[in-house]
Amino acid sequence: NAGVTQTPKFRILKIGQSMTLQCTQDMNHNYMYWYRQDPGMGLKLIYYSVGAGITDKGEVPNGYNVSRSTTEDFPLRLELAAPSQTSVYFCASGTGGSTDTQYFGPGTRLTVL
Amino acid sequence: GQNIDQPTEMTATEGAIVQINCTYQTSGFNGLFWYQQHAGEAPTFLSYNVLDGLEEKGRFSSFLSRSKGYSYLLLKELQMKDSASYLCAVRSSGGSYIPTFGRGTSLIVHP
Repeated sequence: NAGVTQTPKFRILKIGQSMTLQCTQDMNHNYMYWYRQDPGMGLKLIYYSVGAGITDKGEVPNGYNVSRSTTEDFPLRLELAAPSQTSVYFCASGTGGSTDTQYFGPGTRLTVL
Repeated sequence: GQNIDQPTEMTATEGAIVQINCTYQTSGFNGLFWYQQHAGEAPTFLSYNVLDGLEEKGRFSSFLSRSKGYSYLLLKELQMKDSASYLCAVRSSGGSYIPTFGRGTSLIVHP
């Protein structure tokens, strides 16, 4: 199993550009998550999904959009990149049960200039 | 909402024991997780506590006291590879059941 994979690993964007961060998992997990991690700030939840076709906002959703058309894929879209979106983005998946643990992808390091 | 507090940084010596504390305030506590994150890498799961007491897993143990809103992660026989950030995450029964992460504790192990 590859687990959770993310592409790209690194990206530099100009202000106002848009991009999609890709996330795929091969563990047949229903739950998927997007986090951002800023230095010294821990992980902040952006969006999550409890199954194909169902998404919901997390703590910091502004400036982002998601879709979940299949169990495996959960892309994150940035429409108008801003410097405040410079961060490391982690995708995670899990079973969603009472003892659910999250399996994280390797992360995407995004810089907006 | 939830409030999770961990020390920002700790240092320890190889072979020693270190205890990383996590205090939290939440309504409807429903579990506490510890994750390890090496620099530049993804977090990986270490432990889960939902009942009071100590959970032991090799060199790592995690303790929970729900009445005190307190947990600790105990690392024994420290190795250089234990240098990492340790994230405490708390889940509440209200809403989405998704854990909220603390800011993490950066542990530096010296030879």
